[in-house]
Amino acid sequence: GQQLNQSPQSMFIQEGEDVSMNCTSSSIFNTWLWYKQEPGEGPVLLIALYKAGELTSNGRLTAQFGITRKDSFLNISASIPSDVGIYFCAGQLGGSNYKLTFGKGTLLTVNP
Amino acid sequence: DTAVSQTPKYLVTQMGNDKSIKCEQNLGHDTMYWYKQDSKKFLKIMFSYNNKELIINETVPNRFSPKSPDKAHLNLHINSLELGDSAVYFCASSRDRGTERNEQFFGPGTRLTVL
Repeated sequence: GQQLNQSPQSMFIQEGEDVSMNCTSSSIFNTWLWYKQEPGEGPVLLIALYKAGELTSNGRLTAQFGITRKDSFLNISASIPSDVGIYFCAGQLGGSNYKLTFGKGTLLTVNP
Repeated sequence: DTAVSQTPKYLVTQMGNDKSIKCEQNLGHDTMYWYKQDSKKFLKIMFSYNNKELIINETVPNRFSPKSPDKAHLNLHINSLELGDSAVYFCASSRDRGTERNEQFFGPGTRLTVL
């Protein structure tokens, strides 16, 4: 089946630093989604991307849908302590197949 | 105003027991899902229902049986619980699968511990 490679696996940064994480796939997805999960909670949708090359921002977060449809990245600018959590990418073929395939997550720790 | 809710939040039980987890969404969505998150935080889909009809059934043991009494509810019943069933189970929902934008919204999770 399809697999997503998400990197890095974990990051430990200082408050105020910018962060970048990415996902790559061996096959094409038509939708890329980025979620954040905090301890004891469910994943919360941050950004959804629907078109190859699309660049979308949500506050300090920016994500891009790779032109090949096989990758996506998420940037967080000027990190703050509440950015701590696990960030997941997810790919979706769409149409009649809307199953989400998740990456293994990036654990972000922000040191105040 | 909880969008996707699950009960219970925590479930501790003995091997061999039968248990159920309930999920409700008030978003007016047509499609609901169950995901399993293992100890390494990997999320994997188990089932999907669209308007009470089973759409996706991944390679999940027959001991797991989803039930959808209406499109706002999708419950998960697990028979003969095993140690390996210990995980966090998430319910999610989305608009109809035919729509272009099919973002999935997740519940808070149910942590199942089998002793």
